[in-house]
Amino acid sequence: SQQGEEDPQALSIQEGENATMNCSYKTSINNLQWYRQNSGRGLVHLILIRSNEREKHSGRLRVTLDTSKKSSSLLITASRAADTASYFCATDAPDYKLSFGAGTTVTVRA
Amino acid sequence: DTGVSQDPRHKITKRGQNVTFRCDPISEHNRLYWYRQTLGQGPEFLTYFQNEAQLEKSRLLSDRFSAERPKGSFSTLEIQRTEQGDSAMYLCASRDRDTEAFFGQGTRLTVV
Repeated sequence: SQQGEEDPQALSIQEGENATMNCSYKTSINNLQWYRQNSGRGLVHLILIRSNEREKHSGRLRVTLDTSKKSSSLLITASRAADTASYFCATDAPDYKLSFGAGTTVTVRA
Repeated sequence: DTGVSQDPRHKITKRGQNVTFRCDPISEHNRLYWYRQTLGQGPEFLTYFQNEAQLEKSRLLSDRFSAERPKGSFSTLEIQRTEQGDSAMYLCASRDRDTEAFFGQGTRLTVV
């Protein structure tokens, strides 16, 4: 079974708009990570946020973590066509088991 | 370092045959993970290792699946008596402690 669940399942936006996706999880974590997967390719790590952090930025990415609600969000600002991909959250449980959600498919329209 | 490599990239096998996949992690990484991914789904956890010790195997896996990581280096995933439902992308990842995971390009298995 998967630990994290992303919402929405799919998202379609215009180039230049922001994209927000959410991740909810069930058990305590060491950290939460976000990954991107382009069609037919491997997963690429985007950002890691530890359980004692609330917000983290990396370029056009902003991640928040609310451990009281067991949820995280990923914001992509000023989206580009190259951001078209599937995005997955992964929870890093205390025993270092890394579990992924079903993902959010993002389509950026030109 | 060339990253995580998986071999083969593609495998077509007949139902009932055994297949074995190999994963070479980044050399200093002590944790290695195997996942299975089907179209439109996220990576489904199969098993993971810390050095040579297998820490957990998914309860969803039948006894036809086995994985090893001898000497804490490369890992193999074997599927015995393959079934059509085993057709998927098999992903390997490695990491150092609780840091980011690095993924290989995967092995795509097709069972005919």
